[in-house]
Amino acid sequence: AQSVTQPDIHITVSEGASLELRCNYSYGATPYLFWYVQSPGQGLQLLLKYFSGDTLVQGIKGFEAEFKRSQSSFNLRKPSVHWSDAAEYFCAVGAQGNEKLTFGTGTRLTIIP
Amino acid sequence: EAGVAQSPRYKIIEKRQSVAFWCNPISGHATLYWYQQILGQGPKLLIQFQNNGVVDDSQLPKDRFSAERLKGVDSTLKIQPAKLEDSAVYLCASSLTLLTFYEQYFGPGTRLTVT
Repeated sequence: AQSVTQPDIHITVSEGASLELRCNYSYGATPYLFWYVQSPGQGLQLLLKYFSGDTLVQGIKGFEAEFKRSQSSFNLRKPSVHWSDAAEYFCAVGAQGNEKLTFGTGTRLTIIP
Repeated sequence: EAGVAQSPRYKIIEKRQSVAFWCNPISGHATLYWYQQILGQGPKLLIQFQNNGVVDDSQLPKDRFSAERLKGVDSTLKIQPAKLEDSAVYLCASSLTLLTFYEQYFGPGTRLTVT
């Protein structure tokens, strides 16, 4: 069975500082990996996804993520956060042949001035 | 294009009452998903439809939850009777096909409070 672990429940970052949110997955085959963002009262929005190929993927809003098979990780990064990035971030895993998403528990990001 | 619509946005009921949620997916999307998101947790897939057929309902508590998508477009999720632990946000999502499950578009959700 596929699973996702997001070890950080809550992260606080100063505006303008860099950000890294951690995600570890468990899946026997090559996974599809995703990062979603959820602002208060909003639905989930896809930030980026990885299927294969280049292990560094670029997404919307200046986010990027790196797939590291040896570490079973897919960490999300942003070089300089903005106050509008405050939200809940979810990592998810899926695969062809198992066409559904399994989400992690999320990381809540707080931005301080 | 219009996004995924859900109603109501908020609902408060007492335990043992029944409740229904409605979802209208993006036009042309064959696959529809219902998720339950309990506070502090990630969304959990409850049921997945391809047109009007069920693809996966393995995590749907079938003794109290039911869902239908009779004409392959709109869908309704029902809880009867509700329990306190059903308090959650219920998210609906859709994708063009089952194979494009990785391109799901989510609605704003319905926040259910059971007292």
